[in-house]
Amino acid sequence: EIVMTQSPATLSVSPGERATLSCRASQSISSKLAWYQQKPGQAPGLLIYGSSTRDTGIPARFSGSGSETEFTLTISSLQSEDFAIYYCQQYDNWPYTFGQGTKLEIK
Amino acid sequence: QVQLVESGGGLVKPGGSLRLSCAATGFRFSDYYMSWIRQAPGKGLEWVSDISSSGSIIHYADSVKGRLTISRDNAKNSLYLQMNSLRVEDTAVYYCARGSKTAISWGQGTLVTVSS
Repeated sequence: EIVMTQSPATLSVSPGERATLSCRASQSISSKLAWYQQKPGQAPGLLIYGSSTRDTGIPARFSGSGSETEFTLTISSLQSEDFAIYYCQQYDNWPYTFGQGTKLEIK
Repeated sequence: QVQLVESGGGLVKPGGSLRLSCAATGFRFSDYYMSWIRQAPGKGLEWVSDISSSGSIIHYADSVKGRLTISRDNAKNSLYLQMNSLRVEDTAVYYCARGSKTAISWGQGTLVTVSS
């Protein structure tokens, strides 16, 4: 099973600033990586797939990068609605596995 | 628009059974892989199972293999999860999701609590 490790566990950032979230895979997954956002009491929602392709309707301030084992989600200018938990997920091999999440909180 | 509505969750004793359902609308259900993904209270996400559009290809997480069974009825635009021999560690919100590899759309989830 491929283990996904996200860092940091919690990230405190002020609105308007940039946030950078990291995700590492225990083995190469090419670009088979997705990012999801989950707000309290809600189901997660797909943000990015293929490491860098934004899903329909996702604002351009969200960008993804990386390949093989190292990946990054960048939110360029944080809006109030962006404070949430973010999960990365690999889909190179079954079982598809998620990271433990990064909580993005208001500084 | 796409809607996925889960039902069937509840409180069950260890060793008991439940059947979850997911009603899909707003897309051509028979064209898509479908999945069940769960989230234990206050915890992260676990991809439990997926099923191909025809139902001929199915995967299970090792943690549920032999106890949970995924199925679908394309005529009814519905996805199911038969849960047998339930354990305390199966307690979670169970989400129905459109797609496999990436969960394109999610339902609101249904809570399954396994407790004596």
